[in-house]
Amino acid sequence: AQRVTQPEKLLSVFKGAPVELKCNYSYSGSPELFWYVQYSRQRLQLLLRHISRESIKGFTADLNKGETSFHLKKPFAQEEDSAMYYCALGSGGGADGLTFGKGTHLIIQP
Amino acid sequence: GAVVSQHPSWVICKSGTSVKIECRSLDFQATTMFWYRQFPKQSLMLMATSNEGSKATYEQGVEKDKFLINHASLTLSTLTVTSAHPEDSSFYICSARGAGNTIYFGEGSWLTVV
Repeated sequence: AQRVTQPEKLLSVFKGAPVELKCNYSYSGSPELFWYVQYSRQRLQLLLRHISRESIKGFTADLNKGETSFHLKKPFAQEEDSAMYYCALGSGGGADGLTFGKGTHLIIQP
Repeated sequence: GAVVSQHPSWVICKSGTSVKIECRSLDFQATTMFWYRQFPKQSLMLMATSNEGSKATYEQGVEKDKFLINHASLTLSTLTVTSAHPEDSSFYICSARGAGNTIYFGEGSWLTVV
């Protein structure tokens, strides 16, 4: 069975400090991993997908198949990064729905 | 960019009645749409996959006769909660698969059954 674990419900860091939001997954096949962000009162937005290996808003995430992890990192947090972050696991080239983690609420303190 | 719109944003209905939620892809065609529900302080749970022109595929534990899904066109999928009960109160979110298999989410619909 597919499973996504985000161990931290809440993460609070100061502005300018590094950020790492943890995500571990369980999947027997070839996984597709995503990070979605939800700002206050807005819809879910795609932040990163592991296939594209891009950096968005300073965030990066590397898929580590050995550790079955897809942690989200940013070297210097900004106040506008405060939001809810969801790690998600997909399969089937997008034909199937996503399995979401429970989310981590990131708070950036000034 | 691609936009997915849900309607209504929130709805209150009486127990025993049915309520329909619409999910539209506004500027792209979506052969596949997904319906999720999210309870307070919990994650999104996939309910079903909606395929245009065919029957929806429901996740284990989701009652297909209670949560009717219709995907009659390439831009519209509807979720009808039949004979709603207070325990059906939740946040329902749809998403649609667009170009490059990118998934776009709607803004969600709050359902309260009283």
